[in-house]
Amino acid sequence: EVQLVESGGGLVQPGGSLRLSCAASGFTFSNYWMTWIRQAPGKGLEWLTQIKEDGSQKYYVDSVKGRFTISRDNAKSSLFLQLNSLTVEDTAVYYCVKDDGYYTFSHWGQGTLVTVSS
Amino acid sequence: QSALTQPASVSGSPGQSITISCTGTSSDIGTYKYVSWYQQHPGKAPKLIIYEVSNRPSGISNRFSGSKSGSTASLTISGLQAEDEADYYCSSYISGGVFGGGTKLTVL
Repeated sequence: EVQLVESGGGLVQPGGSLRLSCAASGFTFSNYWMTWIRQAPGKGLEWLTQIKEDGSQKYYVDSVKGRFTISRDNAKSSLFLQLNSLTVEDTAVYYCVKDDGYYTFSHWGQGTLVTVSS
Repeated sequence: QSALTQPASVSGSPGQSITISCTGTSSDIGTYKYVSWYQQHPGKAPKLIIYEVSNRPSGISNRFSGSKSGSTASLTISGLQAEDEADYYCSSYISGGVFGGGTKLTVL
């Protein structure tokens, strides 16, 4: 059974940083693109970033370019998201998602809540 | 990045069928067969229910079906049940993932 378990969310002040982690199991992690998607309170889904199987390619939505960094450790079946220069608009639940190709998001973690507030 | 347009809400009575549309452009839905649909219950993570326009993942009820015509994809839920009440999102293959705004389904 595929499992994705996020951690690292919490309350942070504007301008602060946070590092999210996602522990994957139940599939061969190194064979899949992985994605982070977020959902602000009461809002829809927003694709943020994706990383290739070997970490050699990364893509970001414009709103987080230069502030967020995706990375992975295939040896530990783990995905990461470094969040810097956070603003209140970054308040959201952040989901770790397995991509089965062509942006087919087959499995989602339970999400981790990031709250940016002073 | 383009956006996909969904109705904000739809409703139906138990046992009825409803259809949720997802309108894109010739550059996304109109070109690619990679349209997906996700179901999200309150407080829960989204769940893939349709991929590649009309395919259902293992374990998804055959009451859920998908189709596409031109630049518009559709999700049909037949034999509505109370448990189908949820938010539904579409997405399409395009450089830089994009989702529809979501549709809230109310089962009357």
